[in-house]
Amino acid sequence: EAQVTQNPRYLITVTGKKLTVTCSQNMNHEYMSWYRQDPGLGLRQIYYSMNVEVTDKGDVPEGYKVSRKEKRNFPLILESPSPNQTSLYFCASTSRDGSQPQHFGDGTRLSIL
Amino acid sequence: SQQGEEDPQALSIQEGENATMNCSYKTSINNLQWYRQNSGRGLVHLILIRSNEREKHSGRLRVTLDTSKKSSSLLITASRAADTASYFCATDSNTGNQFYFGTGTSLTVIP
Repeated sequence: EAQVTQNPRYLITVTGKKLTVTCSQNMNHEYMSWYRQDPGLGLRQIYYSMNVEVTDKGDVPEGYKVSRKEKRNFPLILESPSPNQTSLYFCASTSRDGSQPQHFGDGTRLSIL
Repeated sequence: SQQGEEDPQALSIQEGENATMNCSYKTSINNLQWYRQNSGRGLVHLILIRSNEREKHSGRLRVTLDTSKKSSSLLITASRAADTASYFCATDSNTGNQFYFGTGTSLTVIP
């Protein structure tokens, strides 16, 4: 089954404790992306990757890092999480750019105390 | 920010009625997509319309695009209770590399 898998689904942690949210897709997609969703703000793009070893900033990259060492994986790293990063995070992938639909994971709800 | 906006923010209708939601965006686009999100779940792609298209249909969905007004509308005909969800439009940047989502319309269909 074609899917985008995120882990963990839920996480409560404390300020400053490094964390990684993993994302994996099994569709051999070149393009992967991370979004955060906040009430009243919709989804905002954090980082995206056009292919292996190619990553670029989205609209809200501050406080986040990503890497794309393999085509299927695109982890999101919060080196020193802060409470304003409490949000619902989504990973998505697509075969190419905006001309194709994106496939989304089920989301990761992060609470940073 | 180049984020778009949906209108209305919330919509409540009776089952069987049509639901129309609108999306406005800020910059020129290559494609516009509509997505659906059930509460707390990931987004599911509904339909994509290219900038050189004016209207597209898929089942009970009808999407229009007016690039001169930088707006799009999504019409769901003969709504069902199962259509209850949030609906988002998404546009791509002129390079096709970045995506901008609207703030969403929350649709409630009352059985």
